[in-house]
Amino acid sequence: DVVLTQSPLSLPVIPGEPASISCRSSRSLQHSNGNHYLDWYLQKPGQSPQLLIYLTSTRASGVPDRFSGSGSGTDFTLKISRVEAEDVGIYYCMQVLHTPPAFGQGTKVEIK
Amino acid sequence: QVTLRESGPALVKPTQTLTLTCTFSGFALNTSGMCLTWIRQPPGKGLEWLARIDWDDDKYYSTSLKTRLTISKDTSKNQVVLTMTNMDPVDTATYYCARTYYYVSGTYSNYYHTDVWGKGTTVTVSS
Repeated sequence: DVVLTQSPLSLPVIPGEPASISCRSSRSLQHSNGNHYLDWYLQKPGQSPQLLIYLTSTRASGVPDRFSGSGSGTDFTLKISRVEAEDVGIYYCMQVLHTPPAFGQGTKVEIK
Repeated sequence: QVTLRESGPALVKPTQTLTLTCTFSGFALNTSGMCLTWIRQPPGKGLEWLARIDWDDDKYYSTSLKTRLTISKDTSKNQVVLTMTNMDPVDTATYYCARTYYYVSGTYSNYYHTDVWGKGTTVTVSS
């Protein structure tokens, strides 16, 4: 099975400052069509996970443009250009190219 | 508007079988490309993918749990049922169901897009 490794696991941030989360896969997530099948979810405190970014870099509906995703092959990154208080929670990457799908361990973002 | 709601027992005893139901609205599971996924989250821990059933009744399971899981659908009731046998305290978790859409062809061929989650149901395994 594919293993996703996120870093850091805990990320204290200052509002207004940028933040970055890494997700590394044990296998390439590139489909033969050239797309990379890696999604990002945010689980806010007390809530279900919500889709943030899909197919590596496409923001889900309603997601602010301060969130961006990038990467290729086995290395992927989620960036927040300027963190806001409402961005706190746990961020998960998820690969959906290989069966079974798998999540990373999660990165907890909290306000410093 | 797509909604999903998980239901089932809050407490089960070790060795018992857990049966969870996901009741959904806003989409039809007999529509080409529509799928339903189960995910769980132990207290204070991360997400674990469990199983998925596709519109054509194909079923996929977690490698580590596949001998204990069964997923099925009742399209007339807009429900998907997940059963897990031989429950253990380590199976204590919040169980989520989520809508998944499969892009059969085109730019995003073979892509499973999971976009809407239910609120989850908490299951405790204890004697």
